[in-house]
Amino acid sequence: GIQVEQSPPDLILQEGANSTLRCNFSDSVNNLQWFHQNPWGQLINLFYIPSGTKQNGRLSATTVATERYSLLYISSSQTTDSGVYFCAVEPAGGSQGNLIFGKGTKLSVKP
Amino acid sequence: DTAVSQTPKYLVTQMGNDKSIKCEQNLGHDTMYWYKQDSKKFLKIMFSYNNKELIINETVPNRFSPKSPDKAHLNLHINSLELGDSAVYFCASSHLQREAFFGQGTRLTVV
Repeated sequence: GIQVEQSPPDLILQEGANSTLRCNFSDSVNNLQWFHQNPWGQLINLFYIPSGTKQNGRLSATTVATERYSLLYISSSQTTDSGVYFCAVEPAGGSQGNLIFGKGTKLSVKP
Repeated sequence: DTAVSQTPKYLVTQMGNDKSIKCEQNLGHDTMYWYKQDSKKFLKIMFSYNNKELIINETVPNRFSPKSPDKAHLNLHINSLELGDSAVYFCASSHLQREAFFGQGTRLTVV
């Protein structure tokens, strides 16, 4: 089956710093989403981005489907950005809507 | 006005008991899912329902059974609970293979 690898696994930032999280996947996908799991366990949708670039405030994401990777940019990080960031993909030709998750990047933003 | 809501948020029960987790979505989506997040935060799909038909059934024990009374609800029934069933269970929904939205999770602890 498809492999989804996220890097780095852990990241510690000082408030105000910028960061880039990466998601590599081993096969073609129909769908790619980025989620933020906050310290209370909620899974919050960040981006639905099977291809191209999107921006939402301090966050932006780029997916290059032909090269099988996606990047999540966080600028001017805040302590509320702390948590785990997941990339999830729906394999092309796979079961409809079946999202395969990476293991996540745990982000800690220090004040 | 919660889009995907699941109850209860916390569930503590003894081994051998039978329990249910309820999920409702008010987004008009056509597909609903159950995911399991283990102690290492790894998320894996368990089931999905599309138009009241089961279209994915990953290798989960048959003690777990999804029940969908209508398009807006997908409940998870678990029989003869075991210690290893302790995890966080997330309900999700999507429409036409697009963006999936998750509930707040149910933390199940089997003692």
